Amino acid sequence: GENVEQHPSTLSVQEGDSAVIKCTYSDSASNYFPWYKQELGKRPQLIIDIRSNVGEKKDQRIAVTLNKTAKHFSLHITETQPEDSAVYFCAASRKTSYDKVIFGPGTSLSVIP
Amino acid sequence: GAVVSQHPSRVICKSGTSVKIECRSLDFQATTMFWYRQFPKQSLMLMATSNEGSKATYEQGVEKDKFLINHASLTLSTLTVTSAHPEDSSFYICSARDPRVGSDTQYFGPGTRLTVL
Repeated sequence: GENVEQHPSTLSVQEGDSAVIKCTYSDSASNYFPWYKQELGKRPQLIIDIRSNVGEKKDQRIAVTLNKTAKHFSLHITETQPEDSAVYFCAASRKTSYDKVIFGPGTSLSVIP
Repeated sequence: GAVVSQHPSRVICKSGTSVKIECRSLDFQATTMFWYRQFPKQSLMLMATSNEGSKATYEQGVEKDKFLINHASLTLSTLTVTSAHPEDSSFYICSARDPRVGSDTQYFGPGTRLTVL
């Protein structure tokens, strides 16, 4: 089955700096890669996703890149703000309504004012 | 976006009792729902895939007789933790994908915090 790894497990950055989180996946059939932000005690919230037919996607301060050959994908947050502090999870799945989504272990991001 | 609700949000029970958690898709029909368990400071671990009208598919290591899943309608899946023990205390979250054309985003319920005394 699919296995998703994520690094680093914790990340601390100064406000205004960039943060990068990297993930790898094992199942070459995976073709949908969402990123979730989870605040303490709350549900995961989708912040951006990318499908295997593109290599990069950007939404304001957030961007995701995908390297299908290497089975790597990364989240980039620019101009970080204290409210970006949370746990971020990458995930991978096949893009059908009945295919499960497998999560990475998570990255705890702290943005220091 | 689509809405998934979960009930109850919190439950405290005594060891040995059973607890039922409901997951509902409010504005779409979900033939498939997913149940996750999340321990403190850990990731979401998929427990099982709930299939409407058929048996759930459990992940390796998850006891199907302990975590009973019923998906009797296109908008409701239930997870029953039977004979709960303190080690079952966790955050249980359901999710569903909106199957409408062009939508593959997974929507999560708000979660249920289970505490077994």
